[in-house]
Amino acid sequence: AQRVTQPEKLLSVFKGAPVELKCNYSYSGSPELFWYVQYSRQRLQLLLRHISRESIKGFTADLNKGETSFHLKKPFAQEEDSAMYYCALSGRGYSTLTFGKGTMLLVSP
Amino acid sequence: DVKVTQSSRYLVKRTGEKVFLECVQDMDHENMFWYRQDPGLGLRLIYFSYDVKMKEKGDIPEGYSVSREKKERFSLILESASTNQTSMYLCATFHRLGEQYFGPGTRLTVT
Repeated sequence: AQRVTQPEKLLSVFKGAPVELKCNYSYSGSPELFWYVQYSRQRLQLLLRHISRESIKGFTADLNKGETSFHLKKPFAQEEDSAMYYCALSGRGYSTLTFGKGTMLLVSP
Repeated sequence: DVKVTQSSRYLVKRTGEKVFLECVQDMDHENMFWYRQDPGLGLRLIYFSYDVKMKEKGDIPEGYSVSREKKERFSLILESASTNQTSMYLCATFHRLGEQYFGPGTRLTVT
């Protein structure tokens, strides 16, 4: 069975501090990993996908197959980064996603 | 610009009522999904559909059914609403490369 674990429900940091949102997964095949974000009163939306190896809004995430992790990182957090972040895994077919329970990021001034 | 719309933003229903949640997309996407979103539990897949009249159970289908009569419309049905179905319901369509587009959500309260 595939599973996504986000160990932190809440992560609170000060503006300018580095941020790392943790994500670990369990999957027997070759996974596709994603980070989705939901800002207050907005729709859930894709932030980034591991296959694109891109940096979006200063965030990056590296897939570590040895540690089965896909942590989301940003060197300097901004207040507008405050949101709920979900890690997701695609692998069951039909383009379904398995989501983690989410981590709320709060960036204080 | 992809649009996924849901019929209601807020809905209040009584226990035992039959509830219909509607989702419409305008991008001709084949795959559509219904999730519920609960604090501390994240998003859980209820049902999905990969074509008209085709449906598959997700992780938590109990107490729900779905209907996909037209490609653009995917309905979630609560046959007899219960208080434990109070939740935020999200509809989504599959775009590409794992990206799903989400609707704004329907916050359902069952009293």
